[in-house]
Amino acid sequence: KAGVTQTPRYLIKTRGQQVTLSCSPISGHRSVSWYQQTPGQGLQFLFEYFSETQRNKGNFPGRFSGRQFSNSRSEMNVSTLELGDSALYLCASSGRTSGDTGELFFGEGSRLTVL
Amino acid sequence: AQSVAQPEDQVNVAEGNPLTVKCTYSVSGNPYLFWYVQYPNRGLQFLLKYITGDNLVKGSYGFEAEFNKSQTSFHLKKPSALVSDSALYFCAVRDRGYSTLTFGKGTMLLVSP
Repeated sequence: KAGVTQTPRYLIKTRGQQVTLSCSPISGHRSVSWYQQTPGQGLQFLFEYFSETQRNKGNFPGRFSGRQFSNSRSEMNVSTLELGDSALYLCASSGRTSGDTGELFFGEGSRLTVL
Repeated sequence: AQSVAQPEDQVNVAEGNPLTVKCTYSVSGNPYLFWYVQYPNRGLQFLLKYITGDNLVKGSYGFEAEFNKSQTSFHLKKPSALVSDSALYFCAVRDRGYSTLTFGKGTMLLVSP
């Protein structure tokens, strides 16, 4: 079956702009998590959505937001972009319900460059 | 709070030699432990996981990992390294509640011919 799909794969923005990234999870998966990956900070958890509800949130400013739709597709938005937002943004899905092991399946990522 | 430490930024090994990538963890209860691999400009690929039971877990591409509860470690191993194993390896942990998956900083594995 198809894996996690992220779009766009690459994008370039300038400071002050906003960006929206999209993630389609594996069919049947209801949990979507977002991570930011940078060389200096590694993988930082942004947020997790389950059945359209934000279930967990990482330690990021309010400029970072997300949502999940009824078909489990998710979007994340970053407003007022800063140079430090340049990163690989990874989306991961799981079928995670109570008691599940929570194994994540990752997409290829969206590489954001802020100039 | 849960955390993962990967003490080595880089591990170098010659092809054909055994390899070990180290990982230690901290979690309040019993852990779920994972290893992922990332190739350049790609997402993370799942290698293996420890949930319960046998302390030696076998995974994809000939990798295995040993869970050691007393040392809170979950080292990744492979008996004979391949050049194609060269990649970035991440250890991850979460407890058995609803917490998120926490990743280590990653260890770059370089296998020389």
